Amino acid sequence: AQKVTQAQTEISVVEKEDVTLDCVYETRDTTYYLFWYKQPPSGELVFLIRRNSFDEQNEISGRYSWNFQKSTSSFNFTITASQVVDSAVYFCALSDTSTGGFKTIFGAGTRLFVKA
Amino acid sequence: GAGVSQTPSNKVTEKGKYVELRCDPISGHTALYWYRQSLGQGPEFLIYFQGTGAADDSGLPNDRFFAVRPEGSVSTLKIQRTERGDSAVYLCASSPGTTNTGELFFGEGSRLTVL
Repeated sequence: AQKVTQAQTEISVVEKEDVTLDCVYETRDTTYYLFWYKQPPSGELVFLIRRNSFDEQNEISGRYSWNFQKSTSSFNFTITASQVVDSAVYFCALSDTSTGGFKTIFGAGTRLFVKA
Repeated sequence: GAGVSQTPSNKVTEKGKYVELRCDPISGHTALYWYRQSLGQGPEFLIYFQGTGAADDSGLPNDRFFAVRPEGSVSTLKIQRTERGDSAVYLCASSPGTTNTGELFFGEGSRLTVL
């Protein structure tokens, strides 16, 4: 069965600190996709990144970076030099091909507070 | 607009009433998804449409919930005999392809409150 665990419910940092959001997933499939979404206070989920299970290269996009490790079933997200605008709820998600790849399962989310 | 549109944005109803929530996906997107998000939780999958047909409705909690997409575009989520536990934000998302290997485009959601 699919499962996504985000153990950190809330994180509070001061602006310019680096912060890492943890994500651990479970799937029996060998082909799967991992995602991170951001949900700002306005409520609309915004896609940040997708990785497939065959590509373990880490990725960096500006202040955002992602560390995908199949050995530990983790897909962690780091924000460098955090800013107040980064305050939001962040969701890790998983989609595998066991159900045709149509159902994306989300974790419970991590609420990030960045204080000025 | 060009994004996913959901109406109403807020709906307050009484226990036992019938509710309809509407989703207008991005033009050309063949896949449409309904999720439910309770306070402090992540989105919970309800149902997925590919075109007009419900390809996966395994997330619908019980037979009070039903969704349609008769022309392969707009979808309506219908909830009969609402209960207080149905209170949540109902999110709609669409995607362009036939498999969910890419991003989902979400609407702002319909907040349902059952008194």
